[in-house]
Amino acid sequence: DQQVKQNSPSLSVQEGRISILNCDYTNSMFDYFLWYKKYPAEGPTFLISISSIKDKNEDGRFTVFLNKSAKHLSLHIVPSQPGDSAVYFCAARGSSNTGKLIFGQGTTLQVKP
Amino acid sequence: DGGITQSPKYLFRKEGQNVTLSCEQNLNHDAMYWYRQDPGQGLRLIYYSQIVNDFQKGDIAEGYSVSREKKESFPLTVTSAQKNPTAFYLCASSPSLAVSTDTQYFGPGTRLTVL
Repeated sequence: DQQVKQNSPSLSVQEGRISILNCDYTNSMFDYFLWYKKYPAEGPTFLISISSIKDKNEDGRFTVFLNKSAKHLSLHIVPSQPGDSAVYFCAARGSSNTGKLIFGQGTTLQVKP
Repeated sequence: DGGITQSPKYLFRKEGQNVTLSCEQNLNHDAMYWYRQDPGQGLRLIYYSQIVNDFQKGDIAEGYSVSREKKESFPLTVTSAQKNPTAFYLCASSPSLAVSTDTQYFGPGTRLTVL
């Protein structure tokens, strides 16, 4: 049972345009969401997070939107740069204080110059 | 400078052999985690530890074992009982397991190939 889903395996955008990566979840008990970026053969690096009490969090070129009623979150990258090309994972944490993260399958973003 | 180190980066073993993957952190984090990543899949939790001498099974613990004798170290042993051990293994740590907003920080990973 996949509790966190990234239904688009890949996304290609032109440099300077907006990249929108999507993530859906099924468990309404998730209260904290994170986005990680991963290059091949490296560990994921933390990008941005959002608490379930908010609907938007912004950090520079990265903005995460949370729609709790739809159980959907998205990551917007504006403007996209070639260095943003990587695999992006969304992750969710439950409120049971275990600290466990549930990861989506990842979306490979390619930003073309 | 602080961080998480995993060694080696690439590891080859023959089928039927146990192998231990190293994970060390100098971030003074209480919680540590092991994940595995397979192609086209997200990260799946193998084991996690909240404090020294304590650890819990994750979602796919079968065929793996861990120890947490020191705060800085959380080695993972892949035993011969693990049916599909070839994967990319990632270690992570966070300040506390109990604080839901704590971010997990990842090491560079170890690519294990069983021949």
